[in-house]
Amino acid sequence: DTEVTQTPKHLVMGMTNKKSLKCEQHMGHRAMYWYKQKAKKPPELMFVYSYEKLSINESVPSRFSPECPNSSLLNLHLHALQPEDSALYLCASSQESGLANTDTQYFGPGTRLTVL
Amino acid sequence: EDKVVQSPLSLVVHEGDTVTLNCSYEVTNFRSLLWYKQEKKAPTFLFMLTSSGIEKKSGRLSSILDKKELFSILNITATQTGDSAIYLCATYNTDKLIFGTGTRLQVFP
Repeated sequence: DTEVTQTPKHLVMGMTNKKSLKCEQHMGHRAMYWYKQKAKKPPELMFVYSYEKLSINESVPSRFSPECPNSSLLNLHLHALQPEDSALYLCASSQESGLANTDTQYFGPGTRLTVL
Repeated sequence: EDKVVQSPLSLVVHEGDTVTLNCSYEVTNFRSLLWYKQEKKAPTFLFMLTSSGIEKKSGRLSSILDKKELFSILNITATQTGDSAIYLCATYNTDKLIFGTGTRLQVFP
């Protein structure tokens, strides 16, 4: 089973709202990732969690706040977003991360976010 | 600066044609190269390549890596309309996957 699930599939929010995106995997992977993908562009890395600890933050604005409650779950808390934050948000996981990593990253179906 | 470049950006073919997608890379500490297929949502994994000259094959798809010349190709033979998608190439640099811009393949009946 190489499934990564994400909820919700679609989200529309105003600039003053607070919402959360959720990601779950049951493959025993110890690394989880958040990516942002704009139309006709490749995924851009936002955050990497390794063994439930934040290991990479790609200079993402603080209105995006990641959280890893346990090894199977990854959340992305959203607050005071801007219309330009509208995008497809992808979660991924891999067996490990780190300097020696060559593991395949498996992606979830994504959450399509629209900020009004 | 690390980069992954794919070509062509877009390709339109008829069913039954064979296509070759290209990916060249310049990354420090190269360890592996991955190919993904992205239709409407999530990229789905196709191949991971770590060794030069060894072809990976899955049905009508195959891929090979040349670490000396820093490129990889993805071949699709006897294309079908279901092959229409964006094909993404990515390489690892330390902890991060660096993606190319993708090749959009359209296969018409």
